[in-house]
Amino acid sequence: DIQMTQSPSSLPASLGDRVTITCRASQDIGNYLRWFQQKPGKSPRLMIYGATNLAAGVPSRFSGSRSGSDYSLTISSLESEDMADYYCLQSKESPFTFGSGTKLEIK
Amino acid sequence: QVQLQQSGAELVKPGSSVKMSCKASGYTFTSYYIYWIKQRPGQGLEWIGRIGPGSGDTNYNEKFKGKATFTVDKSSSTAYMQLSSLTPEDTAVYYCARGTSDYWGQGVMVTVSS
Repeated sequence: DIQMTQSPSSLPASLGDRVTITCRASQDIGNYLRWFQQKPGKSPRLMIYGATNLAAGVPSRFSGSRSGSDYSLTISSLESEDMADYYCLQSKESPFTFGSGTKLEIK
Repeated sequence: QVQLQQSGAELVKPGSSVKMSCKASGYTFTSYYIYWIKQRPGQGLEWIGRIGPGSGDTNYNEKFKGKATFTVDKSSSTAYMQLSSLTPEDTAVYYCARGTSDYWGQGVMVTVSS
């Protein structure tokens, strides 16, 4: 199975900060990488697909990038509504696998 | 508008089975995979597998083979997942999602307890 190593597991940050979350793939997944946001008691929400494409309705302060086997989700200027858990998912090869998650919280 | 409406919460006994539903609306049901995802309390997301409603083709995470079974009813645009031989480790919220991951059901809380 493809392993997705996500870091950090917890990210304290202040409003207005630029923050980055990273997932490293254990094998080549091309651009088959999605990012999700999940708030307590809610279903996950697709934020980024194809590693770099913003999903519908997602604010432009979110962006996705790739460098080799490292995939990043960046929030350019943190807002209070961004405090949530974030997960990456590789959809290159079955079984699809999620990263372990990052809890973004107010410092 | 696209919606995935899941069935209600379940409280079941160890050793039993449960079957949950995911009713799709607002799009062509047979054109997209349905994914099933598990989330244990306070834990991360785990991909159980997927079914192609048009073909009935399935892919299971090896970890869930023998545990989960996917079916669909094309006439009602509904996907089902049955979980068998339930143990407390199966206590979780189970989500269905459209294959493009852009639409998710609200989740089904399954509690396995005697």
